[in-house]
Formats: sequence, C-alpha cells, structure tokens
Amino acid sequence: KAGVTQTPRYLIKTRGQQVTLSCSPISGHRSVSWYQQTPGQGLQFLFEYFSETQRNKGNFPGRFSGRQFSNSRSEMNVSTLELGDSALYLCASSLVARLDQETQYFGPGTRLLVL
Amino acid sequence: TQLLEQSPQFLSIQEGENLTVYCNSSSVFSSLQWYRQEPGEGPVLLVTVVTGGEVKKLKRLTFQFGDARKDSSLHITAAQPGDTGLYLCAGALGTGNQFYFGTGTSLTVIP
Repeated sequence: KAGVTQTPRYLIKTRGQQVTLSCSPISGHRSVSWYQQTPGQGLQFLFEYFSETQRNKGNFPGRFSGRQFSNSRSEMNVSTLELGDSALYLCASSLVARLDQETQYFGPGTRLLVL
Repeated sequence: TQLLEQSPQFLSIQEGENLTVYCNSSSVFSSLQWYRQEPGEGPVLLVTVVTGGEVKKLKRLTFQFGDARKDSSLHITAAQPGDTGLYLCAGALGTGNQFYFGTGTSLTVIP
C-alpha cells in the first residue's frame, strides 16, 4: 500500500507570492491534516479535513487555507508569502476521526523556502 | 508558550547508555502519543498511551502516562545509534482532532 505522498518536495518562492502544496493520502483514508514544522516553533497544527470539510483549524492567519477533494486528496495554499513561512509542511492521513486515538501517517513533507 | 513542553531539548549520549525524555503540560489529555522523526522524513508513531498511570513497553523503549494524564515519559534502555532522531510527544484536546505536538527532543547516540 502506497504511503502518503506530497508534492513538490522542495519549493523556492519570493515574498508576496503564493504557493499551493499537494497531499495524496493513503488509499481509504478520509482524514487529512496539515502541519508546519520550523526550528523555532516546532510542529504546529494547521488544519484538518474530513470528507471535504474542514473540521479543525490551528492558530494561523487567514493567508493559510486548504481544501480536500472527493478522492480525499488535499491541497493547502499560502498567499502573500512572508519570510517566516519558510518551513517544512507536513501532511498526515488517518482512517477516520479521532487523531488522538488513531495512527496518523505522515508524508515526507514539502520544504518551502521564501526569499 | 507551547502546550506540551519536552525536556531535554537536546541529548547526546554514548551507545549503551540509558536515557529518559519528559513531556509535560498543564492540560489534561485523553491520550498522548510519541513519535520519532528522522531527517528528511515525517514523524512515525511509536506508541499511544491512553490510561493514567499506563506503562507500555516497545522492546528497549518504555512509555509512561502520568496519573493525572498531564505528562508522559519515554525511557530508552541501552541506546543504539539507530535510536538517533527527533522524539516528539503529541496529544489532542477537545473533540480529539486539534492536535498538538511537543517541543521535541533531538537525540544523538554516538557509536
């Protein structure tokens, strides 16, 4: 069974641009979560989608948005990029509902560098 | 301020030594999870502890959940170079789908 895949793996953008990252969950998984990982703040929860609906959102500005498609694939978008958005963006998938009771499977991440 | 604080932040030990990593919070969690992350990869789940006071063993790794469900510890016996990585505790509040990770402990085991 294929794992979680994320594209692209590396990305360089300049301030003010926008970026879209893609995540394909494990087949059959309906929940997709996104996280931002930086050396200073660690791993922080961005949002979680289940059956195309955003169920939870972390404490990030509105520049960060996402969506989930009917095949459970998910995208996240960051508009008006800032230098501080440079980070590793991780996507995780799980079967259904409770992230604290299920195994989340993480992808390798997309490393975004904002210049 | 992070919801889950881990200590120590960095740990460098010789192969064969024992170590303990701590994960503390002022909040009560329904469960806590421990992950290990290696460079260039996403975190991988090691264990989930659910009941206060619970102890789980995974080969040389022992995980404990505090009685009050606010803290947890990870003990590694006879560390090996393959244990090198970033160890993260994590838990959810509320409905269980807003997930928080700890500050992380970077472990290096020197051969």
